[in-house]
Order: sequence, then C-alpha cells, then structure tokens
Amino acid sequence: DVKVTQSSRYLVKRTGEKVFLECVQDMDHENMFWYRQDPGLGLRLIYFSYDVKMKEKGDIPEGYSVSREKKERFSLILESASTNQTSMYLCATLRTSGAASTDTQYFGPGTRLTVL
Amino acid sequence: GDSVTQMEGPVTLSEEAFLTINCTYTATGYPSLFWYVQYPGEGLQLLLKATKADDKGSNKGFEATYRKETTSFHLEKGSVQVSDSAVYFCALRGTGFQKLVFGTGTRLLVSP
Repeated sequence: DVKVTQSSRYLVKRTGEKVFLECVQDMDHENMFWYRQDPGLGLRLIYFSYDVKMKEKGDIPEGYSVSREKKERFSLILESASTNQTSMYLCATLRTSGAASTDTQYFGPGTRLTVL
Repeated sequence: GDSVTQMEGPVTLSEEAFLTINCTYTATGYPSLFWYVQYPGEGLQLLLKATKADDKGSNKGFEATYRKETTSFHLEKGSVQVSDSAVYFCALRGTGFQKLVFGTGTRLLVSP
C-alpha cells in the first residue's frame, strides 16, 4: 500500500512565523501535490511538483512556496503565516500508469494549521 | 475552465436508506471522473472512478456511471450504513493534465 505521511496532524503558529509542512511518500511517485481544504470551498490546489526540483503553481499559490529536493519529500512553506492561512492542508501523490487516464492520487492524513 | 458541481449537504439518512449524491461537471474533451471519501479525521481515499463515457465505477456497494450526455457522475448506494458517514468529493481530471479539480464536498450523516 502507498503510504503518504505528513509531519504534523495539528499545528498552531503565530502571525508572521515561518511555517514548514512536510510530506513524505514511500512509493517513488513522480508527482506530488499540496492542497488546502476549507468548508464550502472543497480542495484547492496550491502547488504541485512533477519531479525533483520542479514545481508548478496551482490555483492559489499566493503566500506559499514549496521545495522538492528529494523525490520522496515535498515541503510547503508559509514564509510569513497569516490568519487567513488557517486551514487543513493535504498532501497527495500521483501514481502514473501507462495510460494517463487511470492515474490515481493518494492522500496523506492532513495537517490542521491554526494561525493566531 | 474545468469545474465540478455537487449537491450541498449535509445529507441525512437513516440506516438502510437509498443514497444519491449528485455531481455534474464542465470540461472540454474526455475527462476522467472520481469519487473520493473522507472519513472523520482522515485524508481522502479514492472510492471509485470511471475513465470514459458509460463506464460504471463501483466499490464497497457504491456505484457511479459516467454520463457524457448529461455531464453527470452521480454517486449511489442501495443501503447505507452508519459507517458510511463521511464527506464525499466528486472530482475530474482533464485530458492530458495531472491535477484534479474537486467539487466542494457533500457531508453524509447516517443515523441508526
């Protein structure tokens, strides 16, 4: 089974702090994603990465950056946390088969971040 | 751009009732369609998927059929259980893209 782990389940930070959210996967998947989940808005893509050191902006990248130095690890960084970044953050990986239409994303358990 | 619309919740049912959660989509080309489920305190898990028109995805008693003519992928289950209480997300992946587009989620509450 694919295992996607996130460094913390719950995190409380103060406004202006630098925050690191870590995601690690054990199945050698090329693609990794960071989403945030908010009530009534579903999941929104922040950033994704299709290879080491490669990254692409998602739909809501403002206020975030990412790092992918190793294939198994994808980090989300909040340079200066703000209260509107209080949310559930979900990491996901993508298994790529021979046909793109059969790809399946696997999700971590999520990190609930509260910014005070 | 691509989008997914699903019915607002919560959907409240008694055990053994029939479940339908509506999902419609807007996309160019031939997207793949997915239902994900999120149990309390957990991340999302793939429930079922369909990759082309008229395909039926099924898993754990849940079913959904890819209807291109109505651009829909409604989730159904004949007899729900208390353990089915969760949030259900409909999603699509457009042709040639890796990222998913999600609906807003529908919370299902099943009482004994």
